[in-house]
Amino acid sequence: QKEVEQDPGPLSVPEGAIVSLNCTYSNSAFQYFMWYRQYSRKGPELLMYTYSSGNKEDGRFTAQVDKSSKYISLFIRDSQPSDSATYLCAIKAAGNKLTFGGGTRVLVKP
Amino acid sequence: GAGVSQSPSNKVTEKGKDVELRCDPISGHTALYWYRQSLGQGLEFLIYFQGNSAPDKSGLPSDRFSAERTGGSVSTLTIQRTQQEDSAVYLCASSSTGLVYEQYFGPGTRLTVT
Repeated sequence: QKEVEQDPGPLSVPEGAIVSLNCTYSNSAFQYFMWYRQYSRKGPELLMYTYSSGNKEDGRFTAQVDKSSKYISLFIRDSQPSDSATYLCAIKAAGNKLTFGGGTRVLVKP
Repeated sequence: GAGVSQSPSNKVTEKGKDVELRCDPISGHTALYWYRQSLGQGLEFLIYFQGNSAPDKSGLPSDRFSAERTGGSVSTLTIQRTQQEDSAVYLCASSSTGLVYEQYFGPGTRLTVT
């Protein structure tokens, strides 16, 4: 079993819809939770990070962490075609290493 | 300001040859990380540098892989005697000390071993 599981998609939504992404993890020692966006043939770009359970909002993006269920989510409101990308969750335990999910490919259709 | 840069952007090499991949981190970032991303896969951690030291090399897949960092800045990842399974995108990231959760990535080097 992978430490971080993420549905590979693709997830196809119409423009303006809410995109809902999630990851599950197995290690309860994980402390920080990140979401990265990766466009084709580019490096990942940090969208948000959070430490505690609950919600964190940044513009159209909301990150949600449920440590009791070992479940993290990213919601994108009012999705745009420019949001079409692969979204990677990443989680940090103690130390200096991030563990990534496999990524979910999102396609927002005009 | 300038982000993380990597060179070359693409590298095609023959099986058995050695390759060197370069990373220039964001100025002032003391921490540097190398990852590997295979087709359709997530990022696989390779090695972490703090300054010029590598306290965590646990992700290097074999002794054919090595990395160094000089002057607390540029890093080079070397793969000796390349194999076809080494084909992947090699990504470098950097962060300020202690901010492991705030890593900034370069565009990657796409390595193809024929």
